[in-house]
Amino acid sequence: ELKVEQNPLFLSMQEGKNYTIYCNYSTTSDRLYWYRQDPGKSLESLFVLLSNGAVKQEGRLMASLDTKARLSTLHITAAVHDLSATYFCAVDSRSTPLVFGKGTRLSVIA
Amino acid sequence: DTGVSQDPRHKITKRGQNVTFRCDPISEHNRLYWYRQTLGQGPEFLTYFQNEAQLEKSRLLSDRFSAERPKGSFSTLEIQRTEQGDSAMYLCASSLAGLAVYNEQFFGPGTRLTVL
Repeated sequence: ELKVEQNPLFLSMQEGKNYTIYCNYSTTSDRLYWYRQDPGKSLESLFVLLSNGAVKQEGRLMASLDTKARLSTLHITAAVHDLSATYFCAVDSRSTPLVFGKGTRLSVIA
Repeated sequence: DTGVSQDPRHKITKRGQNVTFRCDPISEHNRLYWYRQTLGQGPEFLTYFQNEAQLEKSRLLSDRFSAERPKGSFSTLEIQRTEQGDSAMYLCASSLAGLAVYNEQFFGPGTRLTVL
């Protein structure tokens, strides 16, 4: 059974600081996704990572994938308040549906 | 706007009543998914369709739940004899799945169900 673990589950960080969210998954997977969710809202797709060593960047967020370690990271650079949200990683393969982690609730404070 | 839409956005019902939710996917997408999300948790897969065929159902989908996608376009999710434990956000997503296309799913705004 495919399992996805994120850590930390809660993160409070100061504006301007850097931090990394980790996503581990338990079995071989084809694809890894990062989503953002604001309170009471739906999920917004951030990144899709398809292969070992894949790295994608958008603004202050950068995601990477190490399929051998079954690990993805979401790195936040110089955090700003607008990044406050819950971030989910999710994993699927051709034979399994999308499995989500529990999410990392990020709060950026001044 | 051609994103995924869901209706209603909020539903309050009494225990034992039946409820039905609707999802309209992005028009060219052939796959449609239903998820359930409870407070503080990630979405949990319920079922998905490719065109009109229901290809997989989670064990979370008890016999009180039924989903349809009759013409391969919109889908409905019905919950019969609702229980308080059914209170959650029900999310619909759609994707374009094919041999050379990765299966990125786009989510709708969700239907928040409260069972009193």
